[in-house]
Amino acid sequence: DAGVIQSPRHEVTEMGQEVTLRCKPISGHNSLFWYRQTMMRGLELLIYFNNNVPIDDSGMPEDRFSAKMPNASFSTLKIQPSEPRDSAVYFCASSPDTTSSYNEQFFGPGTRLTVL
Amino acid sequence: AQSVTQLGSHVSVSEGALVLLRCNYSSSVPPYLFWYVQYPNQGLQLLLKYTSAATLVKGINDFEAEFKKSETSFHLTKPSAHMSDAAEYFCAVSDLKQGGKLIFGQGTELSVKP
Repeated sequence: DAGVIQSPRHEVTEMGQEVTLRCKPISGHNSLFWYRQTMMRGLELLIYFNNNVPIDDSGMPEDRFSAKMPNASFSTLKIQPSEPRDSAVYFCASSPDTTSSYNEQFFGPGTRLTVL
Repeated sequence: AQSVTQLGSHVSVSEGALVLLRCNYSSSVPPYLFWYVQYPNQGLQLLLKYTSAATLVKGINDFEAEFKKSETSFHLTKPSAHMSDAAEYFCAVSDLKQGGKLIFGQGTELSVKP
């Protein structure tokens, strides 16, 4: 298996632009998580899906952030409009089943976002 | 609510020395506990996990952790540090009340001196 795939790996954009980050979870996994990592705040859970349905989006910082999972093999995290404080590394992770809490999450390589 | 505290944001050891990274948890129900490692410019990888089968858990690269309920701890150890162990280490807790979400600690950066 190729693992969790994220694209792009690096994104540099200007303030005010729309940014879309993409994630392909491991085949057969039905839970997907989006995290943000910064030096100041560490690793933060933004939102997670179970069977393509958003379960908890309490970590989404503002309405500028939105996430979708149209099918079991694809998810997007969109920021519109982007701001310099959104600069961070965004990770996607997948897990076989969140109803089994002993299942670990498998992380993608991350997307490093820089907003100028 | 569940939480995890990692004592020490930076730990430095000499190559060949014992590695000890501390993690304490708070949980109202029996926890499932995890240690992840993050190498520079990479995502997190699972080192080991505790799921109540055995209190001493062995993971990859000779790491192990011991679950101590009386101390609410899950410290990570390795007998002999290698240069390649330099990375950031995260302790995390998960439980059914939060739908299997992982609650991560702040992370501990491990440096290994030659």
